[in-house]
Amino acid sequence: EDQVTQSPEALRLQEGESSSLNCSYTVSGLRGLFWYRQDPGKGPEFLFTLYSAGEEKEKERLKATLTKKESFLHITAPKPEDSATYLCAVQSNYKLTFGKGTLLTVNP
Amino acid sequence: GAVVSQHPSWVICKSGTSVKIECRSLDFQATTMFWYRQFPKQSLMLMATSNEGSKATYEQGVEKDKFLINHASLTLSTLTVTSAHPEDSSFYICSARILAGNQPQHFGDGTRLSIL
Repeated sequence: EDQVTQSPEALRLQEGESSSLNCSYTVSGLRGLFWYRQDPGKGPEFLFTLYSAGEEKEKERLKATLTKKESFLHITAPKPEDSATYLCAVQSNYKLTFGKGTLLTVNP
Repeated sequence: GAVVSQHPSWVICKSGTSVKIECRSLDFQATTMFWYRQFPKQSLMLMATSNEGSKATYEQGVEKDKFLINHASLTLSTLTVTSAHPEDSSFYICSARILAGNQPQHFGDGTRLSIL
């Protein structure tokens, strides 16, 4: 059974303080690792897909990386509007398995 | 692009009522749609996978007679919670995928269902 563990559960940063979120996974045949952002009371918003170890993707202040066992979401110089829950999910076969997410709070 | 609309966003109703939730892909055709349930501070749990024109595939432990899914077109899937009870109260989210394979799923904004 596929498993996804995200850490930390919650992270509080000051504006401009860079950090990283971790997603560890076990999967039988990785077909993709996905990062999403979820705001309170909303559905997840797609950020990145990573397919193979060594791959990196960037979007504004976010950068996602992938190894054979984990993925990192690096946040550089975050702003208060980056505050959200960040979800990691892996796909094997047809379905996604999600982690519980990391609640990121960026204080001004 | 890849916008998914879900309606209604909030439902409050009495125990025993049936509730229908709609999920529409607005700017693309979705061969596959998915229905999830999310409890506070928990991960999204897949309930069922819906393919246009065929019966939905339910995950283990999900009652197919309780949660009726219809995927009548490439842009619309519906979830009906039949004879809802307080334990069915949750946040229900749909998603849609453009093509088969490894394309990302795009999510609607969810429906908060509260059964009194």
